[in-house]
Amino acid sequence: KAGVTQTPRYLIKTRGQQVTLSCSPISGHRSVSWYQQTPGQGLQFLFEYFSETQRNKGNFPGRFSGRQFSNSRSEMNVSTLELGDSALYLCASSLFTSGEDTQYFGPGTRLTVL
Amino acid sequence: GIQVEQSPPDLILQEGANSTLRCNFSDSVNNLQWFHQNPWGQLINLFYIPSGTKQNGRLSATTVATERYSLLYISSSQTTDSGVYFCAVEAAGNKLTFGGGTRVLVKP
Repeated sequence: KAGVTQTPRYLIKTRGQQVTLSCSPISGHRSVSWYQQTPGQGLQFLFEYFSETQRNKGNFPGRFSGRQFSNSRSEMNVSTLELGDSALYLCASSLFTSGEDTQYFGPGTRLTVL
Repeated sequence: GIQVEQSPPDLILQEGANSTLRCNFSDSVNNLQWFHQNPWGQLINLFYIPSGTKQNGRLSATTVATERYSLLYISSSQTTDSGVYFCAVEAAGNKLTFGGGTRVLVKP
């Protein structure tokens, strides 16, 4: 089975612009979560989608949004980019069934805001 | 929210040495995972271990849920074991809370 894929892998944007990142989960996985990793704050949960519905949201401003499509692929969008949004954005997918529910991570998108 | 603390923050080992990494968490959890982050940023699953003991090659992990801690053992360390090890827990929903990580450097 193919793993979690994320596109693009690297992105450079300037302040004020917006960006869209994409995540394709492992086939059959219906839950997709997004995380932000920065040197200062570590790994932080952004949001989680299951069957096209956002079920959980972390403590991030409304500039961060996401969605999930019927094929479970997910996108996240950041509007009005700030320098502090420079980070590694990681996507994870899981089956989310009762019992063992391992989250599998993609390679990440490294976003640099200039 | 739940707090996750990992120790030590940094670890330098000579190749062949054994080591123990610790993860303490502040509340009951449904899920606990250990990850290894490689130099390119990919988080690689090591163990799903909300309780009990598991082994995979030179790595093993033990979680004592009643005492709210987990241990990751690395035996006969190799240079390829270098990287950052993260513990992550899920208390509710499908949301992982990560510890600060342990940065491991294995010297040849």
